[in-house]
Amino acid sequence: AQSVTQPDARVTVSEGASLQLRCKYSYSGTPYLFWYVQYPRQGLQLLLKYYSGDPVVQGVNGFEAEFSKSNSSFHLRKASVHWSDSAVYFCVLLTGNTGKLIFGLGTTLQVQP
Amino acid sequence: AQTIHQWPVAEIKAVGSPLSLGCTIKGKSSPNLYWYWQATGGTLQQLFYSITVGQVESVVQLNLSASRPKDDQFILSTEKLLLSHSGFYLCAWSRLGRSSYEQYFGPGTRLTVL
Repeated sequence: AQSVTQPDARVTVSEGASLQLRCKYSYSGTPYLFWYVQYPRQGLQLLLKYYSGDPVVQGVNGFEAEFSKSNSSFHLRKASVHWSDSAVYFCVLLTGNTGKLIFGLGTTLQVQP
Repeated sequence: AQTIHQWPVAEIKAVGSPLSLGCTIKGKSSPNLYWYWQATGGTLQQLFYSITVGQVESVVQLNLSASRPKDDQFILSTEKLLLSHSGFYLCAWSRLGRSSYEQYFGPGTRLTVL
């Protein structure tokens, strides 16, 4: 079965602290994985993507993610969060060749001043 | 640069009334196009995709239909709205070819069915 699990519905961190948002996927084929961010009442913005190669991929605004085939994971990290990072973060799996995306339930990040 | 527009920005409609939501992509020829639905506070679910004019594939049955009358236009519609249709509708596009699979999303249309 194809699925994406984000085990943390909500994460609260202090500004300047480091961040990790967890993501586990289930897919029998080669996974193409993404992290998207959604700010309140807006569409989704692509943070980063993983297709192959170096398991650590860099994204926008200082975000990075690490792919692990053995753990079926694609965790998102940031060394130092800013209050403007408060948003909902979706881990997403691309399946097949018709562009079908499987979304996790999302993790709401709240950054406290 | 490619831009994606959705209209209207928001709609409040009565149960049983018709609906038409639109999406236009500028600056990109022959994109793949997608419709997604997001329940309030929920995750996203792909509804339809289209790889060419006149061809639309349904992914989930929600008593909605979609059409692609032009290369750069994608329409989502229904003749009779249900309460369960409320939510946030997002259009997205992607490039053809194996080199790029990421999808780019529009600003969305918020639909409230009363």
